[in-house]
Amino acid sequence: EAGVTQSPTHLIKTRGQQATLRCSPISGHTSVYWYQQALGLGLQFLLWYDEGEERNRGNFPPRFSGRQFPNYSSELNVNALELEDSALYLCASSYSTNEQFFGPGTRLTVL
Amino acid sequence: GEDVEQSLFLSVREGDSSVINCTYTDSSSTYLYWYKQEPGAGLQLLTYIFSNMDMKQDQRLTVLLNKKDKHLSLRIADTQTGDSAIYFCAERSNSGYSTLTFGKGTMLLVSP
Repeated sequence: EAGVTQSPTHLIKTRGQQATLRCSPISGHTSVYWYQQALGLGLQFLLWYDEGEERNRGNFPPRFSGRQFPNYSSELNVNALELEDSALYLCASSYSTNEQFFGPGTRLTVL
Repeated sequence: GEDVEQSLFLSVREGDSSVINCTYTDSSSTYLYWYKQEPGAGLQLLTYIFSNMDMKQDQRLTVLLNKKDKHLSLRIADTQTGDSAIYFCAERSNSGYSTLTFGKGTMLLVSP
């Protein structure tokens, strides 16, 4: 069974640009979670989608947004990129809320 | 608010046992998790424990939960060099949302 996949692996952008990150959950999983892992800050919860709806949002500005598609894959969009947005962005999926399985992440570098 | 604390670093010799500790503040935590992250990789779910349990064993891994002290530990028996990684403790509260709150991670270094 394929795990959670994320694309691209690496993304380099400049300040002010927009970034789009993608996540495909494990087959059968309906929930997708996004986390930011920035150096020195640990893992911070960003967004939770379930059945196409945003269910919860972490303490991030509105320029962080996303959506979940009918096939349960998800996109994370970051607008007006800032240097401090440089981080590893991790996506996780779950069927029940007890277990979250993580993908390998997208490394976003903002120059 | 919710907070999860871990020591930052642990060094052990191959074959020894490793014990990684974690404390949390949210008394409504329902599940507590241990994840492993190897360099350049995502997080691998190692094990988790429901808050009404005090111990869970899975092969070389033993999780102990002291709910009164809000203390969680992960013991790795017969630690191998391949166990070198960052270990994250996480908790899920009973707030109705299924998001996880993570500690900053403990780097485990296993020397031969």
